[in-house]
Amino acid sequence: GQNIDQPTEMTATEGAIVQINCTYQTSGFNGLFWYQQHAGEAPTFLSYNVLDGLEEKGRFSSFLSRSKGYSYLLLKELQMKDSASYLCAVRVRTTDSWGKFQFGAGTQVVVTP
Amino acid sequence: DTGVSQNPRHKITKRGQNVTFRCDPISEHNRLYWYRQTLGQGPEFLTYFQNEAQLEKSRLLSDRFSAERPKGSFSTLEIQRTEQGDSAMYLCASSSGLAGAIHTQYFGPGTRLTVL
Repeated sequence: GQNIDQPTEMTATEGAIVQINCTYQTSGFNGLFWYQQHAGEAPTFLSYNVLDGLEEKGRFSSFLSRSKGYSYLLLKELQMKDSASYLCAVRVRTTDSWGKFQFGAGTQVVVTP
Repeated sequence: DTGVSQNPRHKITKRGQNVTFRCDPISEHNRLYWYRQTLGQGPEFLTYFQNEAQLEKSRLLSDRFSAERPKGSFSTLEIQRTEQGDSAMYLCASSSGLAGAIHTQYFGPGTRLTVL
């Protein structure tokens, strides 16, 4: 089966940097995705890694190490609107398909003034 | 196209009743996913379609749950004999299945089910 772990909550100050770690144990790994979810809303896509290394998209960056089963999402220059839950999701390949996603429980980021 | 839509947005029902939810994906997307999410948890995979074919169904899904996508466009999720434990947000997502695409999922706003 799949196991995805990420911290439950992190608090940081406006303008600071926060790093959200995600570790996973899975067979058939086929990509790692990060989503942002504000309270009461649907998740929205932030970033994607399938190969090792760093992907940068503006204030958000994501890193992947497949050999370590590890990823992180880096949020720079934090803004109050970044207060949300951040979901780590692994796409897996199975005998039936290759598009199934497994989500972690999410990390609630609280940005304080 | 304005994205993935779901109806209804809210559903309150009594235990034992059947409910059906609808999802309309982004028009050019051939993959459609159903998830269930409870407070403080990430989305839990329920089932997944490519066009009209249901490719995978979670083993956690009891036989009270069934999903269809008859023409490869919209999908319905039915829950029979609802239980209080079924109370959750039901999310639908779609993605492109084109070769070489990232296949990012785009989520709908969800249907919040409350079973009394």
